[in-house]
Amino acid sequence: DQQVKQNSPSLSVQEGRISILNCDYTNSMFDYFLWYKKYPAEGPTFLISISSIKDKNEDGRFTVFLNKSAKHLSLHIVPSQPGDSAVYFCAARSSGSARQLTFGSGTQLTVLP
Amino acid sequence: GAGVSQTPSNKVTEKGKYVELRCDPISGHTALYWYRQSLGQGPEFLIYFQGTGAADDSGLPNDRFFAVRPEGSVSTLKIQRTERGDSAVYLCASSLEGRERYEQYFGPGTRLTVT
Repeated sequence: DQQVKQNSPSLSVQEGRISILNCDYTNSMFDYFLWYKKYPAEGPTFLISISSIKDKNEDGRFTVFLNKSAKHLSLHIVPSQPGDSAVYFCAARSSGSARQLTFGSGTQLTVLP
Repeated sequence: GAGVSQTPSNKVTEKGKYVELRCDPISGHTALYWYRQSLGQGPEFLIYFQGTGAADDSGLPNDRFFAVRPEGSVSTLKIQRTERGDSAVYLCASSLEGRERYEQYFGPGTRLTVT
């Protein structure tokens, strides 16, 4: 069973507009969430994270929102730029002894000039 | 500073052969992770090292897979009797432990193709 789900495999937005990428999770033990960006033939690059004690974290053009009751988080990119075109992965870490990250299947974002 | 490096970047091997994949983590990072990414999927956890010891190997799919980190820095993932289903990108990540932030930093991966 997928504990972290990204239900949209792809998203296209116009340059300058807002990109919203969504992620749902099922494991109540997750207490830390991360977004990674991946370009072809490269490893995932850390983008932004949020602890479960917060509901928002902002870093420049990137903001992550966490809704614990809905077990949902989203990444907002504004304004979107063509260089943002990449696959975005949502990941979660458990508060238990497990240290590994559990990843979603990714969303391909395409920002059109 | 230097990021996580992995060698080789690509490896093609025949079914039944043995392969070794190497990971050099960020200097000073005590935690090291191996993940495997298949086409269209996110990375899946294989094994986690804290220092020299494997603290969690619950993600290794079977006993053909083994990993070591003898000096607490470089790690090698070893796959015996490779099968076509082992074809994937193998990612290594490292992180600082003992902090409230848990970001893991990934290398570029080794693309393994078993023919």
